[in-house]
Amino acid sequence: QKEVEQNSGPLSVPEGAIASLNCTYSDRGSQSFFWYRQYSGKSPELIMFIYSNGDKEDGRFTAQLNKASQYVSLLIRDSQPSDSATYLCAPYTGGGNKLTFGTGTQLKVEL
Amino acid sequence: GAGVSQSPRYKVAKRGQDVALRCDPISGHVSLFWYQQALGQGPEFLTYFQNEAQLDKSGLPSDRFFAERPEGSVSTLKIQRTQQEDSAVYLCASSLPSTYSGNTIYFGEGSWLTVV
Repeated sequence: QKEVEQNSGPLSVPEGAIASLNCTYSDRGSQSFFWYRQYSGKSPELIMFIYSNGDKEDGRFTAQLNKASQYVSLLIRDSQPSDSATYLCAPYTGGGNKLTFGTGTQLKVEL
Repeated sequence: GAGVSQSPRYKVAKRGQDVALRCDPISGHVSLFWYQQALGQGPEFLTYFQNEAQLDKSGLPSDRFFAERPEGSVSTLKIQRTQQEDSAVYLCASSLPSTYSGNTIYFGEGSWLTVV
């Protein structure tokens, strides 16, 4: 079992719709969870992080965390073509002092 | 500087050649990470420094890979006798010391290595 599992996609959604990106992880010691966005040919940039169970909202983005189920998700409301990118889920384990990335989900927002 | 700076941005190496990739982290960031990202994959952890101490090198794929950060600032990732499978983007990242909430880890633009 991979440490971090993401559906590679592509996930296609129409402009204005809600995009739902999911991630499961295996290390129960993971304390924080980061979502990075990576445009083709660019480096990852931080979108959100979450460390408490429940929802965390920031503008059009909502991160959801369920530690009991080892599941974290990212919702993007009112999706825009500029949201088209690969979204990387990365649990952070304090003991390991590092982020462990999934393979990422490619999101395509279509006009 | 304002962000994590990496050089060279692009490197073409002949198989068997040694390469050195440089990373200049954000000023004041004590933690520095190297990741390797192959095409279509997520970044894979290589090694981690806190100041000049290399605390984790578990991700280095072979003894051909070596990283250093002698003065706790600039870091160099060296790959000896490059092989075609070393072709990837090498990402450097830095952050403040780790906390429970996880300080933000900022990435550089990467060094694109192609081994021919």
